[in-house]
Amino acid sequence: DAGVIQSPRHEVTEMGQEVTLRCKPISGHNSLFWYRQTMMRGLELLIYFNNNVPIDDSGMPEDRFSAKMPNASFSTLKIQPSEPRDSAVYFCASRITSGGAYNEQFFGPGTRLTVL
Amino acid sequence: LAKTTQPISMDSYEGQEVNITCSHNNIATNDYITWYQQFPSQGPRFIIQGYKTKVTNEVASLFIPADRKSSTLSLPRVSLSDTAVYYCLVAYSSASKIIFGSGTRLSIRP
Repeated sequence: DAGVIQSPRHEVTEMGQEVTLRCKPISGHNSLFWYRQTMMRGLELLIYFNNNVPIDDSGMPEDRFSAKMPNASFSTLKIQPSEPRDSAVYFCASRITSGGAYNEQFFGPGTRLTVL
Repeated sequence: LAKTTQPISMDSYEGQEVNITCSHNNIATNDYITWYQQFPSQGPRFIIQGYKTKVTNEVASLFIPADRKSSTLSLPRVSLSDTAVYYCLVAYSSASKIIFGSGTRLSIRP
């Protein structure tokens, strides 16, 4: 298995532009997570989906951020308009949700976003 | 308010046992505790997970006392390659919240 796939790996854009980050979870996984990591705030959960349905989006910073999961094999995180403070590494993770156990999350390599 | 707290950094030497503790005061009966390891420029990687008492795998042990308000990750005989940031994660089922601790930067010296 290729693991969680994220694209692009690096993104440099100017303030005000729209940014779209993409994630392909591991096949068969039914939960997907978007995280943001910065030096100041550490690793923050932005939103997660179970079976393509958003469960908790309380971590989404503001209306400029939106996430979709149109099917089990693809998700996007969009920032519009982008601002310099959005510069961070964005991770996508997936896992199997089943039974009572909390199964491990598998993280992608991340997208390093720089907003100038 | 659910919160997961751990020390900012720790130092140790090769061959020593390292214990990193995480506090999670508001943990509920059905909540699991998971530890992840992260190297620079990589995503976090699963180390171990537990629910109560003790769990051991090939790389670490996880100790959880009866009140479950804290947990301790134990790394036996660390090596230089164990230098990384270690995160504690609690999935608070009652609130559908997943909260990572701030991470403990572990530095191993020769």
